[in-house]
Amino acid sequence: DAGVTQSPTHLIKTRGQQVTLRCSPKSGHDTVSWYQQALGQGPQFIFQYYEEEERQRGNFPDRFSGHQFPNYSSELNVNALLLGDSALYLCASSQGLAVGELFFGEGSRLTVL
Amino acid sequence: GQNIDQPTEMTATEGAIVQINCTYQTSGFNGLFWYQQHAGEAPTFLSYNVLDGLEEKGRFSSFLSRSKGYSYLLLKELQMKDSASYLCAVRASASGGSYIPTFGRGTSLIVHP
Repeated sequence: DAGVTQSPTHLIKTRGQQVTLRCSPKSGHDTVSWYQQALGQGPQFIFQYYEEEERQRGNFPDRFSGHQFPNYSSELNVNALLLGDSALYLCASSQGLAVGELFFGEGSRLTVL
Repeated sequence: GQNIDQPTEMTATEGAIVQINCTYQTSGFNGLFWYQQHAGEAPTFLSYNVLDGLEEKGRFSSFLSRSKGYSYLLLKELQMKDSASYLCAVRASASGGSYIPTFGRGTSLIVHP
């Protein structure tokens, strides 16, 4: 049973560029949440996708957008990258909107130069 | 909004007992989670409390007092492998029937021989 998988694991971008991160949820899960984790901090909620719609959004600018596909996989897009976007981006999957235990992927480490 | 507070760092000796506290302020409280995160890895689920009292699971126990907005994670018979960050996460109801866990900044536990 595959867990949550994310790609790429590491990437380096320059300011102003755009990035797309991908996530496949754990088998049987239909809800995907994205978190940003800066070094030494806890994960910060970006948004949640369920039934291919953004259901909840945290305090992140519109430069952060996402998508969920019919197979429940998801993408996180960040436009006009800033140095402060450097972080570990975690995808977490769960079953339904009443989020119980979250299953996290290993994350995508983004470095913006 | 939510406010979650936990100590930044704690140290303990192998074989000892350590208690990691978490205090929170939130509306629409719907459960508290503890996650463990080793350096460079994804968070993994440890425990869940929604009612007052103590939940025990092997060497780990978690306590919740909803009236005091307080929880603690108790780790017994500490092992070197318990050195990790411990994240307190509070789940609260949001619009549309969704429940989003909000994470504290984490407590870095260092276990020494």
